[in-house]
Amino acid sequence: AAGVIQSPRHLIKEKRETATLKCYPIPRHDTVYWYQQGPGQDPQFLISFYEKMQSDKGSIPDRFSAQQFSDYHSELNMSSLELGDSALYFCASTQVGWQTQYFGPGTRLLVL
Amino acid sequence: KQEVTQIPAALSVPEGENLVLNCSFTDSAIYNLQWFRQDPGKGLTSLLLIQSSQREQTSGRLNASLDKSSGRSTLYIAASQPGDSATYLCAVNLQETSGSRLTFGEGTQLTVNP
Repeated sequence: AAGVIQSPRHLIKEKRETATLKCYPIPRHDTVYWYQQGPGQDPQFLISFYEKMQSDKGSIPDRFSAQQFSDYHSELNMSSLELGDSALYFCASTQVGWQTQYFGPGTRLLVL
Repeated sequence: KQEVTQIPAALSVPEGENLVLNCSFTDSAIYNLQWFRQDPGKGLTSLLLIQSSQREQTSGRLNASLDKSSGRSTLYIAASQPGDSATYLCAVNLQETSGSRLTFGEGTQLTVNP
């Protein structure tokens, strides 16, 4: 079965650089979520989109922005990167009427 | 603010044992609760989802129960195997609306020894 696809899988950036993470949800899924998981921590919710509109917003820094496109894929844009942004970033997707969130493999971001 | 706690933080058992992982949440007005498995450095694999109106869900050797009024859920693993070694996370969803967030516990790191 098709799963959530995230790219890139690994990313190394310098402080103050920008990064763009991409998420391709499971076919026919219309809702995407972004979570950040720091080392040894549980995943923290960042933001979600349903039908290309922001649905819920968590502890996402102002330096980050995200959107969902007409094909339902989503991008998380991160600017002025800081050392503390180093984490595993997960995307998840669901289909309206279904409750289970399916997670992608994550993008591991390292900020040097 | 919803807080989710998992006990114990780590658990080591011999192969073949039955075990129980615990999850508690402060706001009992949840919409559903989901159990995940995470292998080191990997993504989250959904194991079971229990809706607020349900008492338990079963999948193979896994059984998850929910007591919403007391703010507790348990994940029961029968006849544990070394391949079950992973971190198990529970997460609650407070709202029915599409796109509503999951709030995670800190996880229980399980080691099953051959």
